Amino acid sequence: EAQVTQNPRYLITVTGKKLTVTCSQNMNHEYMSWYRQDPGLGLRQIYYSMNVEVTDKGDVPEGYKVSRKEKRNFPLILESPSPNQTSLYFCASRKSGLAPLGTDTQYFGPGTRLTVL
Amino acid sequence: GQNIDQPTEMTATEGAIVQINCTYQTSGFNGLFWYQQHAGEAPTFLSYNVLDGLEEKGRFSSFLSRSKGYSYLLLKELQMKDSASYLCAVRGNWAGNNRKLIWGLGTSLAVNP
Repeated sequence: EAQVTQNPRYLITVTGKKLTVTCSQNMNHEYMSWYRQDPGLGLRQIYYSMNVEVTDKGDVPEGYKVSRKEKRNFPLILESPSPNQTSLYFCASRKSGLAPLGTDTQYFGPGTRLTVL
Repeated sequence: GQNIDQPTEMTATEGAIVQINCTYQTSGFNGLFWYQQHAGEAPTFLSYNVLDGLEEKGRFSSFLSRSKGYSYLLLKELQMKDSASYLCAVRGNWAGNNRKLIWGLGTSLAVNP
């Protein structure tokens, strides 16, 4: 089954304790990205990756890091989480960031609800 | 700037028809998407429009007018399970290496019996 998986699904942590949210896709997609979703602010892109070893900042990258060592995996790293990073996080993938036409549908992982105390 | 507007909330009755509108102002246009998102879950793809006109997909249809910067999602024969948030997203121009999606805030639809 084609899917994007994220772990953990729920996490409560404390300020300053480094954490990693994993993301994996089995569709051989080149393009992956991380979003956070907050009430009244909608989906905001944190980081994206066009392919292996190619990553770049989205709209709200402060306080986050990513890596793309393999095509299928795109972990999100919070080196020193703060309460303002409490949010619902989604990993997403699509075939290619270069696809000019076609639906190039974006598939989302199930989400990670993070609470930073 | 880039902006997508949708109504915040809508209410409809089971079995009825509802139309959710979306207007956009973006730098460039390369397609408009509609996603459905149930509370606490991931958005799931519903429809895609890149040319003007109506795309029909079962109970759901989506319309696009590029000259007006306008789209709507039409849901027919509403069911209780259609209660969800409906997100409109536009794929704009390249921004650096990123053909990212610009997202609306979503329309929360409540279907009542």
